[in-house]
Amino acid sequence: QVRLQESGPGLVKPSQTLSLTCTVSGGSISSTNYYWSWIRQPAGKGLEWIGRIYTSGSTKYNPSLKSRATISIDTSKNQFSLKLTSVTAADTAIYFCARDVLVTTVPSWFDPWGQGTRVTVSS
Amino acid sequence: DIQLTQSPSSLSASVGDRVTITCQASQDISDYLNWYQQKPGKAPKLLIYDASNLQSGVPSRFSGSGSGTDFTFTISSLQPEDIATYYCQQYDNLLVTFGQGTRLDIK
Repeated sequence: QVRLQESGPGLVKPSQTLSLTCTVSGGSISSTNYYWSWIRQPAGKGLEWIGRIYTSGSTKYNPSLKSRATISIDTSKNQFSLKLTSVTAADTAIYFCARDVLVTTVPSWFDPWGQGTRVTVSS
Repeated sequence: DIQLTQSPSSLSASVGDRVTITCQASQDISDYLNWYQQKPGKAPKLLIYDASNLQSGVPSRFSGSGSGTDFTFTISSLQPEDIATYYCQQYDNLLVTFGQGTRLDIK
């Protein structure tokens, strides 16, 4: 049974870079059947997809983040990571990592999800 | 961007009621529509994929239907453990968007 676990600082100062890691256990991040995604949720609000990465390193991002997001993968550690630059209070949220299931060649749905990690942007 | 509009944004129902939530896409997304359940303090959980397919292990009282721009999620007989927020999600153009959510509670 695949499990995902987010980790990283819970507090980031404005204008700095948010860095989070998702560790995958119970399955290989090198599988060609999945992408791996980051999704966030501000307190009391809805879900926003940030972006995804494939085992090859191929990525796709939500244009709304205006190139501030970078997702990388470390297959040797079975981990993938998120960096979000120039953060503001608007980036305060719970950040989830999730497995993005490929149907033929199309990333389709998210299952499972990590439990989420809360990140606050404040000085 | 493809927008998803869920309705209602919240609803109250009694145990045993049939509950229906709708999700409307801003353009044709075929059946590329999924439904999630999120309980307070927890991560979302996939319930329905590709509009009408029940994820393994999910109770059969949950169902989905629709294609194109109009989709429906139904709980046939509401149970107390179904109290949660429900989200639709589309993946038509390799970009992902979610509906704004429907908060469901017990009357």
